[in-house]
Amino acid sequence: SAVISQKPSRDICQRGTSLTIQCQVDSQVTMMFWYRQQPGQSLTLIATANQGSEATYESGFVIDKFPISRPNLTFSTLTVSNMSPEDSSIYLCSVDLAPTWDEQFFGPGTRLTVL
Amino acid sequence: AQSVTQPDIHITVSEGASLELRCNYSYGATPYLFWYVQSPGQGLQLLLKYFSGDTLVQGIKGFEAEFKRSQSSFNLRKPSVHWSDAAEYFCAVGATGGGNKLTFGTGTQLKVEL
Repeated sequence: SAVISQKPSRDICQRGTSLTIQCQVDSQVTMMFWYRQQPGQSLTLIATANQGSEATYESGFVIDKFPISRPNLTFSTLTVSNMSPEDSSIYLCSVDLAPTWDEQFFGPGTRLTVL
Repeated sequence: AQSVTQPDIHITVSEGASLELRCNYSYGATPYLFWYVQSPGQGLQLLLKYFSGDTLVQGIKGFEAEFKRSQSSFNLRKPSVHWSDAAEYFCAVGATGGGNKLTFGTGTQLKVEL
């Protein structure tokens, strides 16, 4: 299994500012992912964070809005840039321990409110 | 592309009653299927998963799910619900060759009446 921590756990931000969310894993992992869960909605994959290369973004998400870093095999950050109230969501990171399919372990999430 | 449908947005059951949460998926090949639970203020916890083999899968907390290829379904069941089972339940499908990406259903909110 994997233990994942996220910082901050929650934040309230002003429109137009940026917030960087950190995800730390207690072991080295190949696959790290970032999801968004809008209020009352399901989880939507934002991007796959690749170690040593640029993140791979899903349709509807762009690097300028959600820049991602993955400096090593245990850590990643997601920045929500130039925020608007529509960015109010829970942001979750997850990891997959195996290069082939296995379960994903999720962090506790970061609850973001944009005023 | 794969998709997941959870037809029931809200379900209310009495404590001790049986439970079935529905999940239908769309995917061209044999999918990898998951059920996750999200309790208030908590992250997602995996209940069970299906990759291959026996179509009846046992999970944690007394949950089980049955993969039915002919119906493209992966319904979650529990014979006797406890009040602590109140949470949101998500079905998810993973695509082979898709970079281990998960596609989630919209979730079913379970309420348990005492």
